[in-house]
Amino acid sequence: GDSVTQMEGPVTLSEEAFLTINCTYTATGYPSLFWYVQYPGEGLQLLLKATKADDKGSNKGFEATYRKETTSFHLEKGSVQVSDSAVYFCALSDLWSNTGKLIFGQGTTLQVKP
Amino acid sequence: DVKVTQSSRYLVKRTGEKVFLECVQDMDHENMFWYRQDPGLGLRLIYFSYDVKMKEKGDIPEGYSVSREKKERFSLILESASTNQTSMYLCASSLSSGRVGNEQYFGPGTRLTVT
Repeated sequence: GDSVTQMEGPVTLSEEAFLTINCTYTATGYPSLFWYVQYPGEGLQLLLKATKADDKGSNKGFEATYRKETTSFHLEKGSVQVSDSAVYFCALSDLWSNTGKLIFGQGTTLQVKP
Repeated sequence: DVKVTQSSRYLVKRTGEKVFLECVQDMDHENMFWYRQDPGLGLRLIYFSYDVKMKEKGDIPEGYSVSREKKERFSLILESASTNQTSMYLCASSLSSGRVGNEQYFGPGTRLTVT
């Protein structure tokens, strides 16, 4: 079945460092891809999304490009801040599914130190 | 903005009690979902609903039931709470299936402790 694999955390960076969180997927059909962020004690918030190959999603300085050839959707940010400390989830949905379900990766914890 | 609300942020119940977790969304979404989140296990889907009175089992439905009598409200029921149901419970909603980029919107979560 469809699945999402994220790099294991925690990822610990100093403020202003470059961030990459890897995400690869296995899917039949043509999935849409998402990154969600969960700040401590809160629910998940949509960070960005991409709906077809070569699309780039971006928001709040974060970017991810839908790479069909490598089945990847890696999250990047050029300069992280302490306020970016959170858990990040990669997810996919299948356009042709009739359920609206999302399949989530295990989540990657990011800790940014001043 | 889409708003998904959950009835409680924190809840403490005793073993054997019947527990109701309520979720309400205000954007006329067709789909609603209940997840539980545990350290090291990520998000696991318990049940979802794609229309009023319609429901389908997710990956871990055992010990849970759901109710959707109105489009905006989706309830998760623990018929007889057990300590292994201590967890964070997250509700989400989304527009109808088949739409491109059909993201889910999440509530703030309910942290349930069963003693």
